[in-house]
Amino acid sequence: DIQMTQSPSSLSASVGDRVTITCQASQDISNYLNWYQQKPGKAPKLLIYDASNLETGVPSRFSGSGSGTDFTFTISSLQPEDIATYYCQQYDNLPPLFTFGPGTKVDIK
Amino acid sequence: QVQLVESGGGLVKPGGSLRLSCAASGFTFSDYYMSWIRQAPGKGLEWVSYISSSGSTIYYADSVKGRFTISRDNAKNSLYLQMNSLRAEDTAVYYCARVGYSYGPQGYFDYWGQGTLVTVSS
Repeated sequence: DIQMTQSPSSLSASVGDRVTITCQASQDISNYLNWYQQKPGKAPKLLIYDASNLETGVPSRFSGSGSGTDFTFTISSLQPEDIATYYCQQYDNLPPLFTFGPGTKVDIK
Repeated sequence: QVQLVESGGGLVKPGGSLRLSCAASGFTFSDYYMSWIRQAPGKGLEWVSYISSSGSTIYYADSVKGRFTISRDNAKNSLYLQMNSLRAEDTAVYYCARVGYSYGPQGYFDYWGQGTLVTVSS
């Protein structure tokens, strides 16, 4: 099975800072990598799909990049409403198998 | 607008059973693959099961294979998860989620319900 790692596990940053989270797969997953935001007590929300595509309605300060085994999620200018845990998720299609990373908790400094 | 509303969670003893339901609205339910995903208290997300739009293709995570059964009723716009032989480690919030679609089912979940809590404890 493909394993996903995320770093850091948590971070504190100031409003307006650029925030970067990395996600690494244990083997090549092409661009089958998605990013979700989960606020406390809420369901996850899809932000980025297929590594770099912004989901409709998601602010453009969120972006994703990468392919193969190494992926990056960026918030270009951190806002107070971005306080959340962010998860990467990979997709294997034979058979369908979905694996989430352990998450990165983002706080305001 | 797309809505997914789970129900059926609660407290159950180890070895017991529970059936979760997810009522879908705001989209053509029969066109979409669906999944169940769970989250243990204070922990990360774990994919549980996946069902094709017709119900003919089904997959499970190894952790629930042989104990959980996913199903759907397209006439009722509903998704189900029958959970048998429940264990303490099955305690979690269970979310139903829609699998994204673009020229075929995709590898992401574009809409999620609010979740229903299942607690397995004696």
